[in-house]
This record gives sequence, structure tokens and C-alpha cells, in this order.
Amino acid sequence: QLQLQGSGPRLVKPSETLSLTCTVSDASIRNTAYYWTWIRQSPGKGLECIGSVYFTGTTHINPSLNSRVTISIATSRRQFSLELRSMTSADTAIYFCARRSGWAFDSWGQGTLVSVSS
Amino acid sequence: DIQMTQSPSSLSASVGDTITITCRASHSISINLSWYQQKPGKAPQLLIYGASTLHSGVPPRFSGSGSGTDFTLTIYSLQPEDFATYFCQQSYSSLETFGQGTVLDIK
Repeated sequence: QLQLQGSGPRLVKPSETLSLTCTVSDASIRNTAYYWTWIRQSPGKGLECIGSVYFTGTTHINPSLNSRVTISIATSRRQFSLELRSMTSADTAIYFCARRSGWAFDSWGQGTLVSVSS
Repeated sequence: DIQMTQSPSSLSASVGDTITITCRASHSISINLSWYQQKPGKAPQLLIYGASTLHSGVPPRFSGSGSGTDFTLTIYSLQPEDFATYFCQQSYSSLETFGQGTVLDIK
């Protein structure tokens, strides 16, 4: 069964950049059927899609975050990554990586709680 | 953005009850609607996609229906493990959006 393992820091200072990586357990990262997505969850905003990347490197980013987000993929390492710049307290959230298959997110990582504090 | 509104926001029920959660989209989304279950400290898990298709391994007591703007999730004969938070999510637009969630707890 597919596993997604997120990794990265749990504490980020204001104005700094968050970098998270998700490792995919099998070769499906190259499968044309899937998009690889970052989603975050906070009490204030609920579940929010940050953006997604296809195995080709094509990305789609939430317009509200577009200026601060980069999502990339390294299929040879079975990884995809998120960079979120200029972090503020409003970015404190649980960050999930997930696989989108067709209409839905059918596999999720365990989530990383990221806090923004000096 | 397409807004997704769930009702109720919370619901109390007993084991063996049947409950229904409603999700309304701000624009028609055809059947591009999924439902998820989330337990404390865990990631959401897919229950239903395409408005009514059960994801692999999901018990048949879960049922989804609807199209356009109005959708329902029904859980028949609630089991103890069903008490959780439920979310709907649309994938009609390129920016997927979620409902705010419905907390189902034990009466």
C-alpha cells in the first residue's frame, strides 16, 4: 500500500522559508494518473489546497499563495517538495502531502505541524 | 473559488443511528464531490468520490448522493469507529476546496 512520508522542520521563524519534502513509497510518482499535492489544515482556514505537481514538473498553485509558493518534484528520488516563503503566524498549520487520483485525494501523509514563532 | 458549505457543523448521535450530512456548493460541480473522514491526530481518509462511489475498503454503511450543488453523506447503523469529523471536497474547479467539516460525536 502506498505510503507518503512528509519531513521538514516543525518550527519556522517569521519571514523565513518553510521547506517540506514528501517521499513516496513506490514508483507511482511517475504514473501519469496522479498529481502530488500539498494541503494544509488550520483552525482558522480549515483544509486548504496549497498546490500540486505532476510528474513532468508542471504545477498548479493556489492563486492566494502563488507569489510565495514553489512546488517541485524529483521522480528519481520519489520525492516532491514545498517551499513557502515569507512565513507568518497565519501559516501555522498542519501540512499534509497527498496523492490526487482522478477526483479525490486517495492517499495522505501523516501531516507535519508547523509553527511560526520567533 | 467554489465555496463548499456543510451542515450541520456538529451532530450528536448514538451507535446504531442513521445520520445524514449535507454539503452545498456555491456553483454547480456536477458529481465532482468527495467525502473524507478524519480522526483526531490523523490525516483525512477518502470515503467516497464521484459523489457516490465508495473508495476501496470503505464499508457499505457509508453512502453518498447528489449532483450539481447539493450532496449528502449518509451513514447507516453508526458504529463506534464512525465518530469523527467529515469533510466534503470539490474537484470541479482547478482549485480544489473543502467544506468546513461536520463533527459527529456520541450522544
